[in-house]
Amino acid sequence: NAGVMQNPRHLVRRRGQEARLRCSPMKGHSHVYWYRQLPEEGLKFMVYLQKENIIDESGMPKERFSAEFPKEGPSILRIQQVVRGDSAAYFCASSPRAGADEKLFFGSGTQLSVL
Amino acid sequence: GENVEQHPSTLSVQEGDSAVIKCTYSDSASNYFPWYKQELGKGPQLIIDIRSNVGEKKDQRIAVTLNKTAKHFSLHITETQPEDSAVYFCAGTLTGTASKLTFGTGTRLQVTL
Repeated sequence: NAGVMQNPRHLVRRRGQEARLRCSPMKGHSHVYWYRQLPEEGLKFMVYLQKENIIDESGMPKERFSAEFPKEGPSILRIQQVVRGDSAAYFCASSPRAGADEKLFFGSGTQLSVL
Repeated sequence: GENVEQHPSTLSVQEGDSAVIKCTYSDSASNYFPWYKQELGKGPQLIIDIRSNVGEKKDQRIAVTLNKTAKHFSLHITETQPEDSAVYFCAGTLTGTASKLTFGTGTRLQVTL
């Protein structure tokens, strides 16, 4: 049973380009969470999605960031017109159903570097 | 919202010694507290969790204690081994609100031979 799969592992973008980060949840999981981790900091919640629905996006920056979890295919975190401050590790987690007492399974992350 | 503080930020222990990491939280409504271990280049992995209806939980060499009155909880690792070296994160939230899971800033544990 494959775990949460994220790709790419490393992504380098120049300022102004777009970054697309992909996350395939564990088999049977229908809830996806995206977190951002800055160096020497904890994980900051960004967005929570179920299939075709954004449930909570209270941690998403108001501009340039968007996320989707289509009926078919992986969840996508999209960052438009990247800036240096977007450089961070982005982690995806999945759970089989809602509830904080459900274990969150994290992927290995995508390290985004903006030049 | 919830605020979780974690101490120390770095911890070095000798193999075989115990390690203790402490966290405090601000929201008295929080009732679920997981601990995650993050190894270099990997995502965080849940190692143990505790709900507010219990004061202590153990799983082999790791244990977590919770003091609801003082709003703090701790991770205890006994008989540390080199493979315990990692960054450990505490977190807290109210059951049913996974999207509100608030993480501490992490403790880098180094187990030396």
